[in-house]
Amino acid sequence: AQSVTQLDSHVSVSEGTPVLLRCNYSSSYSPSLFWYVQHPNKGLQLLLKYTSAATLVKGINGFEAEFKKSETSFHLTKPSAHMSDAAEYFCVVSDPWDGGSQGNLIFGKGTKLSVKP
Amino acid sequence: KAGVTQTPRYLIKTRGQQVTLSCSPISGHRSVSWYQQTPGQGLQFLFEYFSETQRNKGNFPGRFSGRQFSNSRSEMNVSTLELGDSALYLCASSLAGRENNEQFFGPGTRLTVL
Repeated sequence: AQSVTQLDSHVSVSEGTPVLLRCNYSSSYSPSLFWYVQHPNKGLQLLLKYTSAATLVKGINGFEAEFKKSETSFHLTKPSAHMSDAAEYFCVVSDPWDGGSQGNLIFGKGTKLSVKP
Repeated sequence: KAGVTQTPRYLIKTRGQQVTLSCSPISGHRSVSWYQQTPGQGLQFLFEYFSETQRNKGNFPGRFSGRQFSNSRSEMNVSTLELGDSALYLCASSLAGRENNEQFFGPGTRLTVL
């Protein structure tokens, strides 16, 4: 069975400093991996996704993530944090095409990112 | 293209009542999934519908049910509401192909059970 572990429930950075949000996954197959962001009282927005193409994935708003199979990790990074990045971030795993079922995303517990001025 | 819409956005019910939530997917999307988000349990998968058929189900009691219509719109129903059903219910739609497994989420329906 797949699972996702987000190693930090809360990360605090200063504006202009790098962001690192850590995620480890467990999957029996070659998984699809995603990072979603949720701003307060808003829905979930996809930041980026990995689907077995390039291991370094670039997303929106300057975020990127690297898939490391040997470490079963998919950490999210950004070189320079902005105040607007303050939100909750979810690492998500999905099994590949599995008899047609695509709807079962497994979410991590989330990491709240705070950005100090 | 319009995004995923959910109605109503907020709902207050009392224990024992039932509730129906609605989700309209992005035009052309045939898969609709439902998730429950609570502070304690996080985001949990409820079920997925594709072409009017439920093809995947999470670990929730039978009080939680859903359906999908021929235009891909979906509804979920919760009967005999309990206090613990208070949550944000999120709907997501996707094209549901191997290379199109990205899910697009609606803003959610905030259900409060008193």
